[in-house]
Amino acid sequence: KQEVTQIPAALSVPEGENLVLNCSFTDSAIYNLQWFRQDPGKGLTSLLLIQSSQREQTSGRLNASLDKSSGRSTLYIAASQPGDSATYLCAVSGGSQGNLIFGKGTKLSVKP
Amino acid sequence: NAGVTQTPKFRVLKTGQSMTLLCAQDMNHEYMYWYRQDPGMGLRLIHYSVGEGTTAKGEVPDGYNVSRLKKQNFLLGLESAAPSQTSVYFCASSYSGQTIYGYTFGSGTRLTVV
Repeated sequence: KQEVTQIPAALSVPEGENLVLNCSFTDSAIYNLQWFRQDPGKGLTSLLLIQSSQREQTSGRLNASLDKSSGRSTLYIAASQPGDSATYLCAVSGGSQGNLIFGKGTKLSVKP
Repeated sequence: NAGVTQTPKFRVLKTGQSMTLLCAQDMNHEYMYWYRQDPGMGLRLIHYSVGEGTTAKGEVPDGYNVSRLKKQNFLLGLESAAPSQTSVYFCASSYSGQTIYGYTFGSGTRLTVV
């Protein structure tokens, strides 16, 4: 059974710092991996999707990498801002039905 | 372009009452999903559909039923609500099961069962 773990569970950094969020998964037979952002009381916003054949994806200050063989992904946020404060969720898709298996998230707080 | 719309956004039910949550998408997606999100548990799949007229069970299906009579709508029903079903419910859709385009989520329904 696929399990997704995110470390750390919470992270507090000063504004301007570069940071890395970690995601690991137990079954490397995934089709894609997706990073989401969730603001308190809100829905999920897709940030980046990495297909299993890709190694990384970039969007603005965000860079996500994928190492399928080791079952790991990282989300790199450059020059963090208070507006980046949110919970970041990692999810993998492996089956033909396409359902996502989620980690429990990393709650990020960026202090001004 | 609305994306995925969930109604209602909030609801309080008494134990034993029934209700239906509606999910509507306007992206012509084949696949639709219902998840619940609980503190400390993350998001867990309740039911999903791979096309109009089809439904299947996910990880936590007990106490819920679903229907997909129209491609754009996916309904989640609670026949007899229990306090354990207090949660935030999210609907999602995707073009296919092995999509390269990702998944779109609704804004959620916050349900409290008292």
